[in-house]
Amino acid sequence: AQSVTQLDSHVSVSEGTPVLLRCNYSSSYSPSLFWYVQHPNKGLQLLLKYTSAATLVKGINGFEAEFKKSETSFHLTKPSAHMSDAAEYFCVVRVSGGYNKLIFGAGTRLAVHP
Amino acid sequence: NAGVTQTPKFRVLKTGQSMTLLCAQDMNHEYMYWYRQDPGMGLRLIHYSVGEGTTAKGEVPDGYNVSRLKKQNFLLGLESAAPSQTSVYFCASGAVPGEQYFGPGTRLTVT
Repeated sequence: AQSVTQLDSHVSVSEGTPVLLRCNYSSSYSPSLFWYVQHPNKGLQLLLKYTSAATLVKGINGFEAEFKKSETSFHLTKPSAHMSDAAEYFCVVRVSGGYNKLIFGAGTRLAVHP
Repeated sequence: NAGVTQTPKFRVLKTGQSMTLLCAQDMNHEYMYWYRQDPGMGLRLIHYSVGEGTTAKGEVPDGYNVSRLKKQNFLLGLESAAPSQTSVYFCASGAVPGEQYFGPGTRLTVT
């Protein structure tokens, strides 16, 4: 079975400092992994995706994630946080052969302080 | 392009009442999904559809029914609402594996 675990439920950073949101995955196959972002009272939006091409994936708004098979990790990073980055972030794995079904992590709420 | 829209945005039901949530997409996507979001649990798949006239159960289907009579619409029904169904419901659609487009959500409270 495939699953993702987000290691932090809350992360708090100061504006201008780096962001690190951690995600570990479990999969018998080479996984397809995604990060989605949800701003307050909004739907989810795709941030970036890994589908077995380059292991370092760049997304929107300056975010990137690195796929590390040896560590079964797919951590999300950004060099410098902006106030507008405050949101909830979900690490997601696609179910192989599963009609495009996704399994979501529990989410990490990112707070950015001035 | 409206993307994915959901109706209504908010609803309060009494236990035992029924209601239907409507999802519409204008992107001609084959796949559509209904999720519920509860604090600390991420999103859980209720039902999904891989094309017009098809539906299938997801992770938490009990107490819900769905229909996809038209490609652009996906309806979620609650026949007899229970307090455990208090949640935020999201509809999504997609064509490319893993890339789903989400609606703004429906906040449902069952008292």
